[in-house]
Amino acid sequence: TQLLEQSPQFLSIQEGENLTVYCNSSSVFSSLQWYRQEPGEGPVLLVTVVTGGEVKKLKRLTFQFGDARKDSSLHITAAQPGDTGLYLCAGAGTNAGKSTFGDGTTLTVKP
Amino acid sequence: DAGVIQSPRHEVTEMGQEVTLRCKPISGHDYLFWYRQTMMRGLELLIYFNNNVPIDDSGMPEDRFSAKMPNASFSTLKIQPSEPRDSAVYFCASTSVGGRYTFGSGTRLTVV
Repeated sequence: TQLLEQSPQFLSIQEGENLTVYCNSSSVFSSLQWYRQEPGEGPVLLVTVVTGGEVKKLKRLTFQFGDARKDSSLHITAAQPGDTGLYLCAGAGTNAGKSTFGDGTTLTVKP
Repeated sequence: DAGVIQSPRHEVTEMGQEVTLRCKPISGHDYLFWYRQTMMRGLELLIYFNNNVPIDDSGMPEDRFSAKMPNASFSTLKIQPSEPRDSAVYFCASTSVGGRYTFGSGTRLTVV
């Protein structure tokens, strides 16, 4: 069974601060996705990383896939209240089509 | 594309009643997933289909839960009889191979 552990589970910071959340597993994934979920809505895909060591940037968000494709990180620079939400990572493995989701990191950015 | 469409958005029902949740996936996506989300347990996979065929229903909590996908554009999740512990947000998601899921907005179910 492939498991993804996310840390921290909860994070509350002030506007303007930087933060990093982590997604770790003992399993290798063919790709890894990050989603953000806002209250009352479903998760929305932010990015997919495929290659070990890959780094992708989405404005103030930087995503990195570990060299061994077992872990990933999401770094947010100068966080804003609009970044508040639940961040989920999901790994696509050998079972085509089905991904494994982590338990998420709940981020609150206070103005 | 209008995305994954779920209905209803909210459902309040009495214990013992039958509840049917509906989902229209994105056209061309050949995988459809039903998830349940609660504060305590996070996002739980209930069942998923590939080309309308159920592949893995090991996440379905009990026989009270059933899911169907009669065609590529429609799926239902039914709970009969419903219980208060079934209260949660139920999400439908669809994808093609590659893991890039598109989720619906969810159905918030409250069983009283």
